[in-house]
Amino acid sequence: DQQVKQNSPSLSVQEGRISILNCDYTNSMFDYFLWYKKYPAEGPTFLISISSIKDKNEDGRFTVFLNKSAKHLSLHIVPSQPGDSAVYFCAARAGAGGTSYGKLTFGQGTILTVHP
Amino acid sequence: DTGVSQDPRHKITKRGQNVTFRCDPISEHNRLYWYRQTLGQGPEFLTYFQNEAQLEKSRLLSDRFSAERPKGSFSTLEIQRTEQGDSAMYLCASSLKPPRAHEKLFFGSGTQLSVL
Repeated sequence: DQQVKQNSPSLSVQEGRISILNCDYTNSMFDYFLWYKKYPAEGPTFLISISSIKDKNEDGRFTVFLNKSAKHLSLHIVPSQPGDSAVYFCAARAGAGGTSYGKLTFGQGTILTVHP
Repeated sequence: DTGVSQDPRHKITKRGQNVTFRCDPISEHNRLYWYRQTLGQGPEFLTYFQNEAQLEKSRLLSDRFSAERPKGSFSTLEIQRTEQGDSAMYLCASSLKPPRAHEKLFFGSGTQLSVL
């Protein structure tokens, strides 16, 4: 079963506009959420995260919003730049115990293309 | 280069052969993780180590798979009697011990395995 879902396989945006990437989850035990970015031939790199006790976290051009009641989170990139073109993965962690750290459940990814 | 390094980058093998991959984590990181990524999917957790102890294994890790981290530094992942379904990108990641780490995993570029 797919506990973390990214229903949009791809997104195309004009440079300077906002990119919104969405993610839905089903497991109520998830308490920490992350976004990773992946360029071709490289491993995923950490982008931004949010704890379930918050509903928003901002870091420069990147903002993550969490709606726990809807089990939905989104990543906003403003303004979008051509260098943001990559695959974006949503990930989640269940539980706050020591053994759960690093054991992430990933979505399928969304390919973002930012056109100049 | 002080990132996570994986060797080899690519491996082509025939069905039934054994293969071994190596991962060198960031030197001060005491946690090391193995993930597997197939085409169109996000990474899936396989196993992780804290220092030399293997603390958790996913049910995805059949008995043909074995991972070691003998001295708490580098790790190896061996697949015996490879099957075509083993074809995937094998990703290694490392992190500091929680709670300092949160979930900020640092991934290597992966080993792409093709089983013919």
